[in-house]
Amino acid sequence: DTGVSQDPRHKITKRGQNVTFRCDPISEHNRLYWYRQTLGQGPEFLTYFQNEAQLEKSRLLSDRFSAERPKGSFSTLEIQRTEQGDSAMYLCASSLGHNNEQFFGPGTRLTVL
Amino acid sequence: AQSVTQPDIHITVSEGASLELRCNYSYGATPYLFWYVQSPGQGLQLLLKYFSGDTLVQGIKGFEAEFKRSQSSFNLRKPSVHWSDAAEYFCAVGAGTASKLTFGTGTRLQVTL
Repeated sequence: DTGVSQDPRHKITKRGQNVTFRCDPISEHNRLYWYRQTLGQGPEFLTYFQNEAQLEKSRLLSDRFSAERPKGSFSTLEIQRTEQGDSAMYLCASSLGHNNEQFFGPGTRLTVL
Repeated sequence: AQSVTQPDIHITVSEGASLELRCNYSYGATPYLFWYVQSPGQGLQLLLKYFSGDTLVQGIKGFEAEFKRSQSSFNLRKPSVHWSDAAEYFCAVGAGTASKLTFGTGTRLQVTL
């Protein structure tokens, strides 16, 4: 069990560029979550997958955000036409089916200049 | 909708002193409750969780929490704080076995020697 991994750990981009983040959950965890955390705040839910199905999306997830989990394993989160307000830590978590104990990855810190 | 309130933004305690971090939640049914710890630049680590049963739950690193339904609270306690406990602590509530977590804004713990 190597834990949840995220790549990259840091991303600096210019406003208007597209960025993509990857999350590898704990193997055999069927649920995968994306959260966003800004400075001084707790994580806020973005979206959630069970296997490859995206079951819930927050209203925070604007049309510029898209997430996929094509084979029910790793997931990607893409932000198109980034804005300075997108600067945040993007956290991924995974859990097993019988409880809601979510294990978090180290996060990807996005800075939009 | 579920919500979490952590009334204390910042707490300072002396090493060896006892600690209590407050958490109040709002949820219509029996909640799933969690405490996570986040050290600078790190992801979230689960300290303990409450799903059902005994209202006093034990976690890692000597932490415990007590679920009080009548007060809608889930306060975190530790009898003797160590300098390494300095970190940000988040309380979270979930609606079931497979749902998003709603986090509080966190309490930053500072430990003086």
